[in-house]
Amino acid sequence: SQQGEEDPQALSIQEGENATMNCSYKTSINNLQWYRQNSGRGLVHLILIRSNEREKHSGRLRVTLDTSKKSSSLLITASRAADTASYFCATDGNTPLVFGKGTRLSVIA
Amino acid sequence: DGGITQSPKYLFRKEGQNVTLSCEQNLNHDAMYWYRQDPGQGLRLIYYSQIVNDFQKGDIAEGYSVSREKKESFPLTVTSAQKNPTAFYLCASSINGGAPQHFGDGTRLSIL
Repeated sequence: SQQGEEDPQALSIQEGENATMNCSYKTSINNLQWYRQNSGRGLVHLILIRSNEREKHSGRLRVTLDTSKKSSSLLITASRAADTASYFCATDGNTPLVFGKGTRLSVIA
Repeated sequence: DGGITQSPKYLFRKEGQNVTLSCEQNLNHDAMYWYRQDPGQGLRLIYYSQIVNDFQKGDIAEGYSVSREKKESFPLTVTSAQKNPTAFYLCASSINGGAPQHFGDGTRLSIL
């Protein structure tokens, strides 16, 4: 039961540009998390936003949450080639985290 | 260094064979998880455990089994009943069910 759905599935940008990924979900949540996965590696937790928060920042990352629309966005500013990875949102309701299928980001130098 | 270790990195299974994937964590986390990831896909939950000696089925438990005899360890057995085992398997742990998860670097399982 995949609740989070990321959009777009794939994104290709030039180094220095901003990258925006979106996540939509279906049921009520306690929090929403974003993770990054480099090819062939495990996921790494990036940021958690609680259901009563609207925006959160961490370095070059900015996450927004709109619980009325059941959606979240992840913005990576001033992207670098090293940001090339897949990015997943994960939602927590009354079950363990449910992950979406991810957005594959390619940052071209 | 605290972390979560999966072994082996690559594993090959013969027809009719059971294989066991190892997952060990030294983060003192109560909860542990096993996920399956197919190419270009997200993570699907196989089993999870929130406390020692207890575990629950996830979305795709058929053909898999687990044990949780120690807090640090959560091995996954892929049985011969799993007819399509080729995938990337990820183990994770967290302080509790909704907390951020720490992942191992995965085991890639293939059929010989």
